[in-house]
Amino acid sequence: NAGVTQTPKFQVLKTGQSMTLQCAQDMNHEYMSWYRQDPGMGLRLIHYSVGAGITDQGEVPNGYNVSRSTTEDFPLRLLSAAPSQTSVYFCASSYGQNEQYFGPGTRLTVT
Amino acid sequence: GENVEQHPSTLSVQEGDSAVIKCTYSDSASNYFPWYKQELGKRPQLIIDIRSNVGEKKDQRIAVTLNKTAKHFSLHITETQPEDSAVYFCAAIADTGRRALTFGSGTRLQVQP
Repeated sequence: NAGVTQTPKFQVLKTGQSMTLQCAQDMNHEYMSWYRQDPGMGLRLIHYSVGAGITDQGEVPNGYNVSRSTTEDFPLRLLSAAPSQTSVYFCASSYGQNEQYFGPGTRLTVT
Repeated sequence: GENVEQHPSTLSVQEGDSAVIKCTYSDSASNYFPWYKQELGKRPQLIIDIRSNVGEKKDQRIAVTLNKTAKHFSLHITETQPEDSAVYFCAAIADTGRRALTFGSGTRLQVQP
């Protein structure tokens, strides 16, 4: 049981490049979410999903896309990277309104 | 949507003292309130949670209280130890509307030996 996994761990992008952050969980959780955490700040919700085929926007969705074609996977796409998207990205999953399990995070730098 | 405010942003205590962190929430439909601890460079991890049908919950040195009328909840850590030093986040979620956790801005707790 690997829990929540994220790849890559680190990434450096140039402004304007696109990329996908991968997130997978093997706990059969319905709920999955993406958060970003900027230095000294809390976790801000980007997008979330309550089941396969269902996604919705969080507090800071601009510049990001998501899809949920399977229960296990919830990738986050950066369409055209900007320096303001430099952050640590956490994926999380839960079984309904219960303990949310976080992945190890992806540290993204956009130059 | 939900708004969660957390205070204080930093807290320094002597080892053995108690620490209290307070949060308020705006959405009266919120019914699940977890607390997470995040050590430097690591992922957040759940330390305790409470549901809206309970007023208080304890787990060894950690307790959480909930006042639904005032829409606030608090984390209490007794007999603090240096390993309690970390950033603590409160959060809230409802089962209607946005069904994802909204987090407070965090409290950096420093326990001085």
